[in-house]
Amino acid sequence: AQSVTQLDSHVSVSEGTPVLLRCNYSSSYSPSLFWYVQHPNKGLQLLLKYTSAATLVKGINGFEAEFKKSETSFHLTKPSAHMSDAAEYFCVVSDRTGNTPLVFGKGTRLSVIA
Amino acid sequence: KAGVTQTPRYLIKTRGQQVTLSCSPISGHRSVSWYQQTPGQGLQFLFEYFSETQRNKGNFPGRFSGRQFSNSRSEMNVSTLELGDSALYLCASSSGPVNEQFFGPGTRLTVL
Repeated sequence: AQSVTQLDSHVSVSEGTPVLLRCNYSSSYSPSLFWYVQHPNKGLQLLLKYTSAATLVKGINGFEAEFKKSETSFHLTKPSAHMSDAAEYFCVVSDRTGNTPLVFGKGTRLSVIA
Repeated sequence: KAGVTQTPRYLIKTRGQQVTLSCSPISGHRSVSWYQQTPGQGLQFLFEYFSETQRNKGNFPGRFSGRQFSNSRSEMNVSTLELGDSALYLCASSSGPVNEQFFGPGTRLTVL
């Protein structure tokens, strides 16, 4: 069985300050992990993915995430927030067997204050 | 390469009617998944198809059904609509069941 917990339902940062969105996972297998972003009234866009290569994964728009097996975490970070980063972010886990569907976290809404 | 397309983008129905939503995956993708997104329940998995076979099914009543065609296009159907079926329905495609999914813009269904 697998699960994802996004530790904050809402995060608010000032423009130009760092962003940290926290995600913890549980998986019986060595997982793949993803971060998706959803802007209002849009579909989800893949930000980055971890599939057991490098533990520090770089994504689009300056985002990156670090896979920490000992902490079962996959936190998303960005050094400097931009107004356009305001959106909903989802952490997703896959057991990589294909036998169970992806499991989505409940999402973290990021607000960026000018 | 064209992305995932969903039609229609917006739909208004009344209780008791039925509705069919369509999804065209990225060219070459054989796996299609459907999700329901509501403010209260978040993103919930409906079903997943791969090469015309349903691989996984979420915890939804039998009023929700789907299918996939030989060209990988997929449809989902909801019969006897209820007010609670109002949601954004998202389709996602991938090259295989274990690979990352690419999402369409969604179909916004409103049930009156």
